Amino acid sequence: KNQVEQSPQSLIILEGKNCTLQCNYTVSPFSNLRWYKQDTGRGPVSLTIMTFSENTKSNGRYTATLDADTKQSSLHITASQLSDSASYICVVSDRGSTLGRLYFGRGTQLTVWP
Amino acid sequence: EADIYQTPRYLVIGTGKKITLECSQTMGHDKMYWYQQDPGMELHLIHYSYGVNSTEKGDLSSESTVSRIRTEHFPLTLESARPSHTSQYLCASTSLGSEQFFGPGTRLTVL
Repeated sequence: KNQVEQSPQSLIILEGKNCTLQCNYTVSPFSNLRWYKQDTGRGPVSLTIMTFSENTKSNGRYTATLDADTKQSSLHITASQLSDSASYICVVSDRGSTLGRLYFGRGTQLTVWP
Repeated sequence: EADIYQTPRYLVIGTGKKITLECSQTMGHDKMYWYQQDPGMELHLIHYSYGVNSTEKGDLSSESTVSRIRTEHFPLTLESARPSHTSQYLCASTSLGSEQFFGPGTRLTVL
């Protein structure tokens, strides 16, 4: 069964600190993996997208890694800011259909305290 | 500016009412999607469309219906709303080679 599991479920850190969010997946055949940021009451916004051949990608203070062999990904946030408080969702796409089916994790709820 | 819009953003209605959630995108995307998301849970695909006059049901069974008469417009309708329909509804669109762009969502509460 194709699944995406994220950990931790929630995380609280102090402003300025770094953190790492984890994503494990069993989706096959794999096409790409994306990390989205979803603010409360808003739609998800894409942070990074990685294909099979990419093992790291950065977007400002966000750095995503991908290990396609172990089917694991991480999202590292550097020097956190209050505006980083949001849910971070790992999304994996398969290439088994023309739809490019997306599988969503439940997200990690990050809270940054001043 | 290319974007994806949803209206209303918030809706509180009584049981039995008919409602339509609007979704429009100005990016010229052929594929559009409706997702349902409960608090703290993953997004579930309830409808999708490959293009005009094409609509399909997603993974999560839903009593809602959709239509795609124009490329840019993908409304979702509930003929008779019930409290179990209370949720957040997210619309998204994509085209070949691009990522999925999400709208801001409609938070529906049925009393």
